[in-house]
Amino acid sequence: ILNVEQSPQSLHVQEGDSTNFTCSFPSSNFYALHWYRWETAKSPEALFVMTLNGDEKKKGRISATLNTKEGYSYLYIKGSQPEDSATYLCAFGEGYGGATNKLIFGTGTLLAVQP
Amino acid sequence: DVKVTQSSRYLVKRTGEKVFLECVQDMDHENMFWYRQDPGLGLRLIYFSYDVKMKEKGDIPEGYSVSREKKERFSLILESASTNQTSMYLCASSSTRGYTFGSGTRLTVV
Repeated sequence: ILNVEQSPQSLHVQEGDSTNFTCSFPSSNFYALHWYRWETAKSPEALFVMTLNGDEKKKGRISATLNTKEGYSYLYIKGSQPEDSATYLCAFGEGYGGATNKLIFGTGTLLAVQP
Repeated sequence: DVKVTQSSRYLVKRTGEKVFLECVQDMDHENMFWYRQDPGLGLRLIYFSYDVKMKEKGDIPEGYSVSREKKERFSLILESASTNQTSMYLCASSSTRGYTFGSGTRLTVV
């Protein structure tokens, strides 16, 4: 079973702090790297889908970078707000010629933003 | 608003019962997935389907089966529920923009 690791496991920050998380994944047979945001009592929501080495994506105060050669992705949140509190999941899609889009998820980083 | 709908939010079943978890999507997606989520283990893939009547085992298929008779519906079946199948079950369908998840079914087997 392929391993996708996220760090840190949890993070507590103050409102206004900027923060970042790491996702490590296998550097071979790369197809795609996804980031999801999962708020308590809600469904995971897609933030970014990245497919190319060097990709950088941005959505408001949240951005992500991708390094497929070394097998890592960073998620950045600028000026954290209490509503950013959630679990952030990354997921690795292995490319093997198929088109199933099957993903392997990390265990997530739990972010708590204190007002 | 596009949707993946899971039929039950909470479910309590007895050991040995046959349990059906239903999932319906309205996005005409070909790929659908069933995951379970347990503390400290993240989302683990049980089964997935890339077309009607097609299915493939994920990482933890033991004790489960699936059915995909129509494109929009993907059912997860626990043939004989056991207490170690107590978990949160998430259904998803996918496009190039990522997965769309249902709201989850928290199943308790007593």
